[in-house]
Amino acid sequence: DAGVTQSPTHLIKTRGQQVTLRCSPKSGHDTVSWYQQALGQGPQFIFQYYEEEERQRGNFPDRFSGHQFPNYSSELNVNALLLGDSALYLCASTRGTASSYEQYFGPGTRLTVT
Amino acid sequence: KNEVEQSPQNLTAQEGEFITINCSYSVGISALHWLQQHPGGGIVSLFMLSSGKKKHGRLIATINIQEKHSSLHITASHPRDSAVYICAVGGSQGNLIFGKGTKLSVKP
Repeated sequence: DAGVTQSPTHLIKTRGQQVTLRCSPKSGHDTVSWYQQALGQGPQFIFQYYEEEERQRGNFPDRFSGHQFPNYSSELNVNALLLGDSALYLCASTRGTASSYEQYFGPGTRLTVT
Repeated sequence: KNEVEQSPQNLTAQEGEFITINCSYSVGISALHWLQQHPGGGIVSLFMLSSGKKKHGRLIATINIQEKHSSLHITASHPRDSAVYICAVGGSQGNLIFGKGTKLSVKP
């Protein structure tokens, strides 16, 4: 049973560009959450998707958007990239939306904006 | 003030030592998670608890809901325990709020 997978592993973009990151949840999981982790910091919640809708959103600008597909996989899109968007982007999946469910994390996508 | 505070930020121990990492939080929670992150980024869930104590091998996690405090203990530490340990609390809305992590280095 594959766990949570993310692609790509690493990505280098230029300021102003747009990027799409992808996440496939663990088999049987229907909820995907996205997190941004800057170097030396804990992850920060971006948003959560369930039933193809954004259920919760953290304190991130509208440049950050997402999507969830019928097979529960998800994309994170970031427009007009800034240098400060350089970070490790993690997705986590759960069966259900409650925070009291065990979260399974993907390996992350390391985004570098130059 | 961060909603989730961890201490210490960095910890160096000798192999075999007993290790304690602390987590305090200021929000109401439905559950508290202890996570382990190795270099390269992957995060593994160690414990999820809402009361009492859980044990898994050499790892023990406790939580005191009244005091809003949790501890992660590692007995007989080993160099392979070297990692960043992160405390995260789950609120009623479904998202996790993370601490900044404790970087543990266990020397042989």
